[in-house]
Amino acid sequence: TQLLEQSPQFLSIQEGENLTVYCNSSSVFSSLQWYRQEPGEGPVLLVTVVTGGEVKKLKRLTFQFGDARKDSSLHITAAQPGDTGLYLCAGAMEETSGSRLTFGEGTQLTVNP
Amino acid sequence: KAGVTQTPRYLIKTRGQQVTLSCSPISGHRSVSWYQQTPGQGLQFLFEYFSETQRNKGNFPGRFSGRQFSNSRSEMNVSTLELGDSALYLCASSRGLHEQFFGPGTRLTVL
Repeated sequence: TQLLEQSPQFLSIQEGENLTVYCNSSSVFSSLQWYRQEPGEGPVLLVTVVTGGEVKKLKRLTFQFGDARKDSSLHITAAQPGDTGLYLCAGAMEETSGSRLTFGEGTQLTVNP
Repeated sequence: KAGVTQTPRYLIKTRGQQVTLSCSPISGHRSVSWYQQTPGQGLQFLFEYFSETQRNKGNFPGRFSGRQFSNSRSEMNVSTLELGDSALYLCASSRGLHEQFFGPGTRLTVL
């Protein structure tokens, strides 16, 4: 059973379109992070959200943490080919000490020019 | 500030052999975590070390082990390699909070 359900798994869109990726769980997370990974490389941290209801913006990317800290979303406005990559959400479960992260399955985004 | 470094970047081994992977965290980071990434299972947590002590452990067999040195550098070892151990092994460092920074990974292929 996957603790973090990420959807959609695959997304192929045209340049200029908007998209949203969802990350859902029945567990409460003390923090949630979004990463972007290129083939053959390690994930690169995009953002960390820690407060329920928190919204963070990173240029054309908007991240939201659910009020109950069980879900999160990533919205990209006017996607560009450079946004292509694997997007991963990862949460630190509230009852877990230390730096252990639980990852979603990832969303493979392809933005076509 | 230099990022997380992992060596080697690529490894090819045969079944039954053992392998040691190395990770150097970001300067000042005392926590090092290891993850296994495969196409079918995604990123799975192996273990975390903090100040030379294992603080968390995932659900992997005892063939997977690790350690951390006084300079925070970490190694992980896999003994008696199996074909299913082929994966990208990722190391991540943090100051001890949940925000983690990943290295480029070691691609292990078991033949």
